[in-house]
Amino acid sequence: DAKTTQPNSMESNEEEPVHLPCNHSTISGTDYIHWYRQLPSQGPEYVIHGLTSNVNNRMASLAIAEDRKSSTLILHRATLRDAAVYYCILRALNTGNQFYFGTGTSLTVIP
Amino acid sequence: GAVVSQHPSWVICKSGTSVKIECRSLDFQATTMFWYRQFPKQSLMLMATSNEGSKATYEQGVEKDKFLINHASLTLSTLTVTSAHPEDSSFYICSARDEGRGETQYFGPGTRLLVL
Repeated sequence: DAKTTQPNSMESNEEEPVHLPCNHSTISGTDYIHWYRQLPSQGPEYVIHGLTSNVNNRMASLAIAEDRKSSTLILHRATLRDAAVYYCILRALNTGNQFYFGTGTSLTVIP
Repeated sequence: GAVVSQHPSWVICKSGTSVKIECRSLDFQATTMFWYRQFPKQSLMLMATSNEGSKATYEQGVEKDKFLINHASLTLSTLTVTSAHPEDSSFYICSARDEGRGETQYFGPGTRLLVL
């Protein structure tokens, strides 16, 4: 399974943008990049996903490097409710749709 | 839309008993559901893939006789932890994929299991 590498933790000030990086140097051409976040004692919540092009939705933006070996989740204005563990996951096409979670990045938002 | 529920949300049981956890997709049909386990301060670990109408596929190292999975309908999968022991205490989370909505997996709120 293609692996992802994320920083263990990051801090951001409230109402400032946050850029959460993810390295996935062994990504294959058919791997989708997914981002989920998890608050304590809850199930993960979908944030965004993409394949090659940058993606935007109401929660965040996903910037994918041209060689696809890295990606960045962008929260445009961090709020206290964005404090969570953020997971970057690669999902291989045509292999059963399984998600293999890495260690994730614990985001702290400072008021 | 795309809500997944789990029941119970928490359970405490004695060592040696069996515990059943339900995972339901409330507003969509899911031919495939997934079961994860998460220990404190750790990431989610995929245990098995539950396929409607067929046997589950277990990840390497997960005992299929210990963790029985049944996916009898398009909206319900169950995980039974048989003869539970204290080391089985964990946070169990299921997810389901709504094939009509593409790539996204929707996760349940999790079930906290404590085996005494």
